[in-house]
Amino acid sequence: QKEVEQDPGPLSVPEGAIVSLNCTYSNSAFQYFMWYRQYSRKGPELLMYTYSSGNKEDGRFTAQVDKSSKYISLFIRDSQPSDSATYLCAMIHPFPASGGSYIPTFGRGTSLIVHP
Amino acid sequence: DGGITQSPKYLFRKEGQNVTLSCEQNLNHDAMYWYRQDPGQGLRLIYYSQIVNDFQKGDIAEGYSVSREKKESFPLTVTSAQKNPTAFYLCATKGRMNTGELFFGEGSRLTVL
Repeated sequence: QKEVEQDPGPLSVPEGAIVSLNCTYSNSAFQYFMWYRQYSRKGPELLMYTYSSGNKEDGRFTAQVDKSSKYISLFIRDSQPSDSATYLCAMIHPFPASGGSYIPTFGRGTSLIVHP
Repeated sequence: DGGITQSPKYLFRKEGQNVTLSCEQNLNHDAMYWYRQDPGQGLRLIYYSQIVNDFQKGDIAEGYSVSREKKESFPLTVTSAQKNPTAFYLCATKGRMNTGELFFGEGSRLTVL
């Protein structure tokens, strides 16, 4: 079992829809949770960064963390064709036994397509 | 402009040849990372360096080598020992150690024929 599970999709939605992207994880030592957005043939860019359980909102994006269920979500309201990208969840174990503190572990990424 | 420059963007090589991918940054970040991305597989860590003249193996270091002689530069060599080198390679930096925020370059697509 991978430490971070993420459905690769693709997820296809009409413009204006609410999108829900999710990841589950197995390591309860993960403390920091991120969402990166990656456009085709580009490097990922950080979209959202959260520490505790609960919600964090930034414009049309809401990140939600449920540590008790080991489940994180990213919601996109009023989705636009420009939101079409791959969304990667990532999480951090601050001091893993293997060394290399604060290095994110990434999910596989979910491909999102928003069609006009 | 501040940023991370990876070159070349596309590279074709014959099987058995070593290849070096360049990563240069002018963000003054201490930590630098190399990831490999395959379709549907997410990002896998190859090597990382938290300071000049020091680097550590990541999860899939076999068949790769790196050096960190300057703060600005972290080249990755894909050797002939790497069994399946065709992939998208991403270089990243981190400005503050106690954070997960990575800044990525545009990537290098390596195809081995």
